[in-house]
Amino acid sequence: AQSVAQPEDQVNVAEGNPLTVKCTYSVSGNPYLFWYVQYPNRGLQFLLKYITGDNLVKGSYGFEAEFNKSQTSFHLKKPSALVSDSALYFCAVRDMFRHNQGGKLIFGQGTELSVKP
Amino acid sequence: DAGVTQSPTHLIKTRGQHVTLRCSPISGHKSVSWYQQVLGQGPQFIFQYYEKEERGRGNFPDRFSARQFPNYSSELNVNALLLGDSALYLCASSLGPDRTDTQYFGPGTRLTVL
Repeated sequence: AQSVAQPEDQVNVAEGNPLTVKCTYSVSGNPYLFWYVQYPNRGLQFLLKYITGDNLVKGSYGFEAEFNKSQTSFHLKKPSALVSDSALYFCAVRDMFRHNQGGKLIFGQGTELSVKP
Repeated sequence: DAGVTQSPTHLIKTRGQHVTLRCSPISGHKSVSWYQQVLGQGPQFIFQYYEKEERGRGNFPDRFSARQFPNYSSELNVNALLLGDSALYLCASSLGPDRTDTQYFGPGTRLTVL
């Protein structure tokens, strides 16, 4: 079964410092990985995805993620954190139904990112 | 362009009642998925529809049902509400059901069951 794990419930970073939010995955076959961000009382906003190709994926708002097959990881990164980046971040993996007739997202538990001025 | 829209924003019901949640996908998107997010957890998959057909169902009781209309909008129905149904219900739309299709989420409907 497909799954993702986010080992840190919370990450604290000072504004201007680089940030990393960790995600590891377990899949059978090729992984299709996603990052979403959720602000308080809001839905999820798509940041980026890895389907195939370059291991470094660039996304919205200056975020990027590094796919590492040997370590089965897909960590989210940003070179310089902003206070406005403070939010809940979710890693997800696509799990296809039988005969590939659709697929659901399986989410991690989420990581609360707090960026202090 | 308008994103995914959901209605209502908030809803308060009592145990045993029935609720209908609505979702309008992004224009051009033909697939809609529903997720339940309980406080402090990641979203859990409930249903996926594509071209009005159910493509997948999560591990939820039969009290949960959904449908997709010819205009690709969707409804999620929950019967005989329980306290444990209190959650944020998220709708996501995508171009199709393919593994590479990104799911874009609406703002959600916050359901409180008393």
